[in-house]
Amino acid sequence: AQSVTQPDIHITVSEGASLELRCNYSYGATPYLFWYVQSPGQGLQLLLKYFSGDTLVQGIKGFEAEFKRSQSSFNLRKPSVHWSDAAEYFCAFQDSGAGSYQLTFGKGTKLSVIP
Amino acid sequence: EAQVTQNPRYLITVTGKKLTVTCSQNMNHEYMSWYRQDPGLGLRQIYYSMNVEVTDKGDVPEGYKVSRKEKRNFPLILESPSPNQTSLYFCASSLFGARETQYFGPGTRLLVL
Repeated sequence: AQSVTQPDIHITVSEGASLELRCNYSYGATPYLFWYVQSPGQGLQLLLKYFSGDTLVQGIKGFEAEFKRSQSSFNLRKPSVHWSDAAEYFCAFQDSGAGSYQLTFGKGTKLSVIP
Repeated sequence: EAQVTQNPRYLITVTGKKLTVTCSQNMNHEYMSWYRQDPGLGLRQIYYSMNVEVTDKGDVPEGYKVSRKEKRNFPLILESPSPNQTSLYFCASSLFGARETQYFGPGTRLLVL
């Protein structure tokens, strides 16, 4: 079955440190992949997305993600974390087949930032 | 301002009492969707709509109904709520489909006693 997995439930980093959040998917072809962020008490906001082409994708707020087909991964990175990045991050997946309209989310990774 | 609105934001109800959560968007989006968010489970899609009068089930549709009579509105109906439907609900919309940027509403926190 198609799925998306975020192995880390909670990650804590110090402000200014680098960040990598992991996302793995299970799908036969190349899916459409997304990263969303949810700040406390808020709805979700799209950080970036990957459909095809360049495997390194730049997003908003200084985030980037790299698609690695060989590892079935789409990890989110940021070189220097700010306290305002504390939030929950969700990787999401969509089947790239024709007529697919469903979006499947991972269970999320909560990021805490130590000042 | 472009936005997705949901009402009510908070709701406490009792088992079996029908309720409707409204969702409205002002961006002329074709695609709308409902999700529920539960601790440790992330977001799960309940229903989605590709266009007016066109809806389909997501991953967890049991106990829910939707309708899409006009483009801007996509209400979520719980005909007979049960305690396991206690959750945080989000409505989202996008221009044409799930691969487009989803714009999320602020959420509706529902408690079913």
